[in-house]
Amino acid sequence: DAMVIQNPRYQVTQFGKPVTLSCSQTLNHNVMYWYQQKSSQAPKLLFHYYDKDFNNEADTPDNFQSRRPNTSFCFLDIRSPGLGDAAMYLCATSREPPGLTPYEQYFGPGTRLTVT
Amino acid sequence: EDKVVQSPLSLVVHEGDTVTLNCSYEVTNFRSLLWYKQEKKAPTFLFMLTSSGIEKKSGRLSSILDKKELSSILNITATQTGDSAIYLCAANTGNQFYFGTGTSLTVIP
Repeated sequence: DAMVIQNPRYQVTQFGKPVTLSCSQTLNHNVMYWYQQKSSQAPKLLFHYYDKDFNNEADTPDNFQSRRPNTSFCFLDIRSPGLGDAAMYLCATSREPPGLTPYEQYFGPGTRLTVT
Repeated sequence: EDKVVQSPLSLVVHEGDTVTLNCSYEVTNFRSLLWYKQEKKAPTFLFMLTSSGIEKKSGRLSSILDKKELSSILNITATQTGDSAIYLCAANTGNQFYFGTGTSLTVIP
């Protein structure tokens, strides 16, 4: 089945130790998103890729970086995780057609990051 | 500033009750309003609404958009314990999805 896959589902890292979360999709969607969701809060958009074009949210810390080597894969790199970065990280995809046709957004299962 | 507000923040009902969840939005270049259900995992898609006044229905769930009032409601009839979850709404404005903080629904047997 076409889907959005995130690995790992659970990640434990140490304070300051770089960590990479991965997302892959078989939907052939051209837009991929990374969200951070903390407990009892709405998902917060970190950045998104429109094809190869990277779009960073103004308030996303520099500590967060992303790579999209091809259509199917997107990575979230946290260079020096702090305790405040512990959260669920959600990857999502959508297909952006031309014009104003609305489109749905599909989420992966998320990676829960713990920082010790 | 673009924002989406949901109410109530939490709700506790008994099985069989009917609930109405509210979502209001203030965004530029509005395209659509989406509803998601989130249990202890990623959000799962419920509805996408683009036109005012047209109800979308899936089993016991239904939703409608009011573009004049910049709002949407999600109705759940004959609630079941499996409906317990956080319900998120999001306004789509092109490549951006603005999420509300969600309504936490608890259905008691």
